[in-house]
This record gives sequence, structure tokens and C-alpha cells, in this order.
Amino acid sequence: DTGVSQDPRHKITKRRQNVTFRCDPISEHNRLYWYRQTLGQGPEFLTYFQNEAQLEKSRLLSDRFSAERPKGSFSTLEIQRTEQGDSAMYLCANSLGTYMNTEAFFGQGTRLTVV
Amino acid sequence: GQQVMQIPQYQHVQEGEDFTTYCNSSTTLSNIQWYKQRPGGHPVFLIQLVKSGEVKKQKRLTFQFGEAKKNSSLHITATQTTDVGTYFCAGAILWGKLQFGAGTQVVVTP
Repeated sequence: DTGVSQDPRHKITKRRQNVTFRCDPISEHNRLYWYRQTLGQGPEFLTYFQNEAQLEKSRLLSDRFSAERPKGSFSTLEIQRTEQGDSAMYLCANSLGTYMNTEAFFGQGTRLTVV
Repeated sequence: GQQVMQIPQYQHVQEGEDFTTYCNSSTTLSNIQWYKQRPGGHPVFLIQLVKSGEVKKQKRLTFQFGEAKKNSSLHITATQTTDVGTYFCAGAILWGKLQFGAGTQVVVTP
């Protein structure tokens, strides 16, 4: 257990439905990342926060994806009008670093299946 | 944009043998990290390298950061079945986002 929890662990949804995932990070760990991982691939960067500020969002990410981290605590990732290509494992990672990178602790992930 | 490439994609190793996996970045990195992901699991941090030419060892694992801070390697000696999994490198530019490579999947045959 890394201390990073994600909810739900699994989500099956129909195409064009909206889904929201939640990540509860380790307290006082400033950086929070969202990654997407498909079978046989490495984690693909989606976005990251430094406290409550969203510092970068992947240019590959469509406008259907949005993430928030109110008050620099938990974070949510919403996908609107899901498509089959959105099926993947969505990973949240948390690290202590502010102006430098430190060890990232990953949650167990949310596996999304779009049918 | 920033790209991190890993080779080989797959590594079949006989138990007891050594192997090396390589990570290359298209741009100079501020730091590089290595992670291991077991089948069905999530990535778990192994090590971070920061300095040019840095070498760190963890038991049978040796990690190296290139002089130009654009490449890194992970060398495992006397491979064991517990080494099975996918090894990822992740690099950052100017301490920004961590960009992961595609990983090296390691299969160990007894």
C-alpha cells in the first residue's frame, strides 16, 4: 500500500457517457500526476498539479478530458463522452517534490472499459 | 517534444544470467528515475539519478546516468525469477513532468 488511493478500481461504461475518477494522495505530497496506461505500454502522461495549480496538460489530450485538484488535496479526472479508445488503466501518482522530482508513489489505478 | 525511448522492448533471460536495458532521451534531463511494474501491479520506484555520470547500486541492480544526462542504463546480474516484470525509466526536463519510456518486459526462464 503506497498511501495513494484511487476510486473506483474498475469502471465499465457505455460510449458517450461521462465518467469521473478520484485520487486521494499522500498528505503533504505536493505533486500529483495522472497517467494513462494501455497493455504493453508505459504510463502516458496526461496532466500534473503542483499543489492546486495544474502545471501542464498533455497536448495529446482532447478537450473531453479535464482534471481538478481543489485546495491541493484530492484530485478528480473527468472524461466526457467516452469513446472505446479511452479504455485503459488510469493511474494517479504522487510525489513530495516542489521544485525537484522525488520518488513518485502510484495508486492501484482505475481500469476503465468503454463498451 | 520530450521523448524517452527504451530498448529492448522484451528481454528473455536465463536464470543466473546478466542483462542490461537502456533508456535514451531526445533532450537533456534534470533527473531520471527507474520503476518496476509486476504483472497486474502498478509502477514501483527503484531509484533516482541526478548527477552526470552517476552510478548507483542496489544489490544486483546497477543504474547509470550518462555524462550528457541524455541516457541511462539498468544492469541486472545473476537474474532471478523475482526480477520478472517491466522496467520503466522516467525522465524529467528542468524538474518538470516525469515522462515514461515504453518499458522493457523481462521474462526469466529457470
